[in-house]
Amino acid sequence: AQTVTQSQPEMSVQEAETVTLSCTYDTSESDYYLFWYKQPPSRQMILVIRQEAYKQQNATENRFSVNFQKAAKSFSLKISDSQLGDAAMYFCAYRSRGAGNQFYFGTGTSLTVIP
Amino acid sequence: GAGVSQSPSNKVTEKGKDVELRCDPISGHTALYWYRQSLGQGLEFLIYFQGNSAPDKSGLPSDRFSAERTGGSVSTLTIQRTQQEDSAVYLCASSLDRVTTEAFFGQGTRLTVV
Repeated sequence: AQTVTQSQPEMSVQEAETVTLSCTYDTSESDYYLFWYKQPPSRQMILVIRQEAYKQQNATENRFSVNFQKAAKSFSLKISDSQLGDAAMYFCAYRSRGAGNQFYFGTGTSLTVIP
Repeated sequence: GAGVSQSPSNKVTEKGKDVELRCDPISGHTALYWYRQSLGQGLEFLIYFQGNSAPDKSGLPSDRFSAERTGGSVSTLTIQRTQQEDSAVYLCASSLDRVTTEAFFGQGTRLTVV
């Protein structure tokens, strides 16, 4: 089974600054998807950004961007101009493009934004 | 519906009792997932339904756990003879089909076994 590792249980960032959350994964597959989900205190998981493994270009969604290093199996999330509303748990997730469609999640990083 | 709906939002039950957790996916979504989130842990896969295919039950932790999906829509996760280690947030998600990448999550049911 695939594994997803988030080595930073907690991170903090000053409002308006930039923060990077780390994620590594282990797989023998070549075609897959990677995701970052945000979970605020309401518990509802919200998709922040996704990356298709076959695309070399890093995905970007407004203030959120990723650094996808396929050979290194690394998928970090960069949040620019951090806002108070960005405070949440962030989960990195992997999903195979082939058979077996479950998502594999990391253990999460709790992000605090300091005013 | 507009989003994935789960009920109840919170459930407190006594050890040894049975509980049923309900998930109402987005209308038209054929894929449905159940995950368990324990304190300080990531999301643990429990079961996956895709259309009329046999569900992937490989994540169910014991035979006390079961799930069904009636009419390809609403799903019920049942935990029999609950134990304290079953205390967790149970999340349901749905996806349009097996190839669509995005899954939409409900707000979860927080189960507390006392």
